[in-house]
Amino acid sequence: GAVVSQHPSWVICKSGTSVKIECRSLDFQATTMFWYRQFPKQSLMLMATSNEGSKATYEQGVEKDKFLINHASLTLSTLTVTSAHPEDSSFYICSVLPDRDYQRGEQFFGPGTRLTVL
Amino acid sequence: AQSVTQLDSHVSVSEGTPVLLRCNYSSSYSPSLFWYVQHPNKGLQLLLKYTSAATLVKGINGFEAEFKKSETSFHLTKPSAHMSDAAEYFCVVSLVSGYALNFGKGTSLLVTP
Repeated sequence: GAVVSQHPSWVICKSGTSVKIECRSLDFQATTMFWYRQFPKQSLMLMATSNEGSKATYEQGVEKDKFLINHASLTLSTLTVTSAHPEDSSFYICSVLPDRDYQRGEQFFGPGTRLTVL
Repeated sequence: AQSVTQLDSHVSVSEGTPVLLRCNYSSSYSPSLFWYVQHPNKGLQLLLKYTSAATLVKGINGFEAEFKKSETSFHLTKPSAHMSDAAEYFCVVSLVSGYALNFGKGTSLLVTP
């Protein structure tokens, strides 16, 4: 398999502050990464598709100015939650589509980041 | 558009008995279908996937699923449950292999001694 890490694994912040979450592929390159959020006891909802070197594609209803995505290299994508509010508290998960596995379409998931906004 | 419906939000089985987690899909085209498992505080792990090859797909840890086009189903089964199988299971559909996944709402599997 492939290893995907996320940092931090959990974070608590005050309302109005910004939080950056990193997603790294440790042993492969990935042009495409995805960001999901998961509310307690609910399914994963796709937020955006991140492509290295280009602007992210956001799903309907996701504010691109609030959830800033930067995919600056083939091994790192970051999600910044700007001016966080309590309703942004959630579990954020990234997934990576390794370039070498593109034809097989298998995504590998990070362990997730739990964000709590006070 | 494509989507999946997981018919049970919770399933409880005794250790050593069979497991059946049900999933129906809706897709205008031939989909790719997956089952993922999520253990507490761990990342999602792929159990198995169907990508228009054999309709009976074998996965890890003794799980398998059968793609039935006539019934638009992709149920997950295991002959004998183990305590370590207790987790959240997601049925997932992807229209185009490699594109973002559409997740079902999940089925929580409880395994009792």
